[in-house]
Amino acid sequence: GNSVTQMEGPVTLSEEAFLTINCTYTATGYPSLFWYVQYPGEGLQLLLKATKADDKGSNKGFEATYRKETTSFHLEKGSVQVSDSAVYFCGDMGGSYIPTFGRGTSLIVHP
Amino acid sequence: NAGVTQTPKFRVLKTGQSMTLLCAQDMNHEYMYWYRQDPGMGLRLIHYSVGEGTTAKGEVPDGYNVSRLKKQNFLLGLESAAPSQTSVYFCASTDYRQGFYGYTFGSGTRLTVV
Repeated sequence: GNSVTQMEGPVTLSEEAFLTINCTYTATGYPSLFWYVQYPGEGLQLLLKATKADDKGSNKGFEATYRKETTSFHLEKGSVQVSDSAVYFCGDMGGSYIPTFGRGTSLIVHP
Repeated sequence: NAGVTQTPKFRVLKTGQSMTLLCAQDMNHEYMYWYRQDPGMGLRLIHYSVGEGTTAKGEVPDGYNVSRLKKQNFLLGLESAAPSQTSVYFCASTDYRQGFYGYTFGSGTRLTVV
């Protein structure tokens, strides 16, 4: 079945630093990939998604490009803010509509 | 506001007690899912449903039962709660008929079994 592996955290950065959270996938067929964000005490919110190879998802300054050749969907942001502190989940829609989520990466941004 | 509503938000149970968690969505979604979230474990799928009247087991179904009698509601039951079921439970829904637009999550139910 499909699986997603994302880098372990926590990732600790200073405000305005560049962020990368790695995510790789294994899948049969053509997965649809996404990133979700979970702020403290809240549910998960869709951050961005990409449904085919070379697509770039973007939202709130975050970007991720679906790269089939490296089976990756890394999350990036050029300049993080304290308010970006949260847990980020990479995932795949799944071949039979059962989504697969990574274990989550905690991001801590210091002023 | 349209979305997924979970009730209750918090609950403390004694070992052996039973309870039902309710998930309600008003987006006419076909697919609904129940997850549990534990530290370091990410999200684990308990049960899911692909439409009214259907349910299926996920990754960690033991100790839980579900029902989808109405399209908008997906109930998660614990017949005899155990401390190992202390967790945060999330419900999610989606629909694929118009393409994939992501999953909508509820705000969670924090359950403690003592």
